[in-house]
Amino acid sequence: SYELTQPPSVSVSPGQTARITCSGDALPKQYGYWYQQKPGQAPVLVIYKDNERPSGIPERFSGSSSGTTVTLTISGVQAEDEADYYCQSADSSGTWVFGGGTKLTVL
Amino acid sequence: QVQLVQSGAEVKKPGASVKVSCKASGYTFTSYGISWVRQAPGQGLEWMGWISVYNGNTNYAQKLQGRVTMTTDTSTSTAYMELRSLRSDDTAVYYCARATLSAGIAVLLDYWGQGTLVTVSS
Repeated sequence: SYELTQPPSVSVSPGQTARITCSGDALPKQYGYWYQQKPGQAPVLVIYKDNERPSGIPERFSGSSSGTTVTLTISGVQAEDEADYYCQSADSSGTWVFGGGTKLTVL
Repeated sequence: QVQLVQSGAEVKKPGASVKVSCKASGYTFTSYGISWVRQAPGQGLEWMGWISVYNGNTNYAQKLQGRVTMTTDTSTSTAYMELRSLRSDDTAVYYCARATLSAGIAVLLDYWGQGTLVTVSS
């Protein structure tokens, strides 16, 4: 199996742009996915296939991929975006892995 | 609307087994998979595995191989996750989630159950 590495925490002021990175050796060949989890709630998918946004997810959420890193970008961060964010990917056999999670703090 | 409703909290002794259920509604059960993800208190998400409801194919996390079994009952649109030989570090909230499949492999989770707390304690 392989690992996905995320920074433990990111802090940003309201209205600014937050970027959360996720690194892994398999990412050049496999898609990255992002889940948002607020305290006491189940995770919510916010980005799939590196940069696709599910219906109902605000446009301020976007994703990108470059080499071994995928990035979740939240433009114009709002207080309600404060949450834990997890990246996820899989190998070619469908074995999944989650990153360790990043706590986004809105100052 | 799509809903996944899980069974209630469980308290188990070390060495015992637990079986958590996940009843799906609002979509064609056999067109998707079900994945199980757990989260220990204060920790991150841990993928446990997934099952294709259509053909029963499974893919389990290596660290749980031999202790976990995922099954489905298409007559009741219910998925099950059984974990055996429980240890204290299996204490966690266990989530089921609907898995979209691509070429028979689970690729994303778009609807989640409410979670089931399993506590392992002597």
